[in-house]
Formats: sequence, C-alpha cells, structure tokens
Amino acid sequence: KQEVTQIPAALSVPEGENLVLNCSFTDSAIYNLQWFRQDPGKGLTSLLLIQSSQREQTSGRLNASLDKSSGRSTLYIAASQPGDSATYLCAVLSYNTDKLIFGTGTRLQVFP
Amino acid sequence: ETGVTQSPTHLIKTRGQQVTLRCSSQSGHNTVSWYQQALGQGPQFIFQYYREEENGRGNFPPRFSGLQFPNYSSELNVNALELDDSALYLCASSLGAGPVNEQFFGPGTRLTVL
Repeated sequence: KQEVTQIPAALSVPEGENLVLNCSFTDSAIYNLQWFRQDPGKGLTSLLLIQSSQREQTSGRLNASLDKSSGRSTLYIAASQPGDSATYLCAVLSYNTDKLIFGTGTRLQVFP
Repeated sequence: ETGVTQSPTHLIKTRGQQVTLRCSSQSGHNTVSWYQQALGQGPQFIFQYYREEENGRGNFPPRFSGLQFPNYSSELNVNALELDDSALYLCASSLGAGPVNEQFFGPGTRLTVL
C-alpha cells in the first residue's frame, strides 16, 4: 500500500531564505509525482509534475527533484517571499492504484 | 479556456441529511475525480467518472455516489450525513481516464455537518 509522508509538517522562515520541502513514498512503482500549493480553505494549484523517467522539473523559483529508487522528492524554493505562504502537498500516482495518493502537506509561513 | 468550477462554496447540513455538490469540468475534459480533504489532511480519492460511468473508487461507503452528465459536469451525492463527513470536497478534471493524464482541481466545496 502506497504511503506518502511529508516533512516537516510546518515551517516558518524569514523572507529571502532558500528552503527545501521533503516528500517520501513507500512504493517506487509510480507513474509520476506532483507538487501542489493550497491556500487556506482553497483548492489545489499544480506547481510541478515529474514523470517517473525524469529527475527534476523547474518553474521559476521552484525546483522539484525525484529519486524514485529511494522513494524521495524534494521541492526547493529559492528566495522565499511572504506570498509563498501556503500548504504544499505532494502526491504520487502509483501503478497499483491508478489514483493520486497525497501526503498531509507542509504548512509554510514566510514572514517579512 | 474555463477552469474547473464547483458549487456551492460553502454548505451547512445536519446529521442524517443528504447533500449534492456540483462540479463543472475544464473545457474539453471528459474525466472527473472527486476527493475528500479533512482538516489538516491530504485529499483522499472518492471516485472517478469517465464518459458518464464510474471508473474507479476509493475506500468510501456506498452512501457516497456520483453522476457525470453528457456535458461532463458532475455531481457528488452524500446520503445520511455523518459528522465525519465535514470536509473540503474537491473535484478535478482531466482529459482521459488514464493515470498519466494531469488533473486540474477546482476551488472546493466546504461542507460542515452539525
């Protein structure tokens, strides 16, 4: 059974810091891994999608890496801004289930 | 291009009642998936509809049911509401039912059961 874990559960950093969010999964048989952003009480905004054959994806200040063999992904946020404050969720699409399995998220606060 | 929309935004019901939530897919998308997100948790897959038929279901009881219409809009129905049904309900649309088709999420409906 696929399980997705995100560490840390919460993070508070000053503006300008570079930071790393972690995601681990137990079953490496995945189609892809996706990072989402969720503002309080709102829906999900897709940030980056990494196919199982890829090692990383970049979009602006965001970079996501995938190490399928070790069951890990990281989301790197460069030069963090207060507007980055949100919950970040990772989700994997497994061969066995054909459905997205989500972690519980990392709640990020960037203060001025 | 219109994104995924959901209605209503918020809803308050009492235990035992029935509720219907609605989702309008992104233009051109023929697949819709529904998720339940309890407070502080990640979304949990409820079920998926592809071309008006259920195409996969998560670990939810039969009182959670759905419909997809010819225009690919969708409804989630929950009967005999329980307190634990209080959550944010998200729908996501995609082009095709295959697992590698990226899903695009709506803003969600916040359901509170008293």
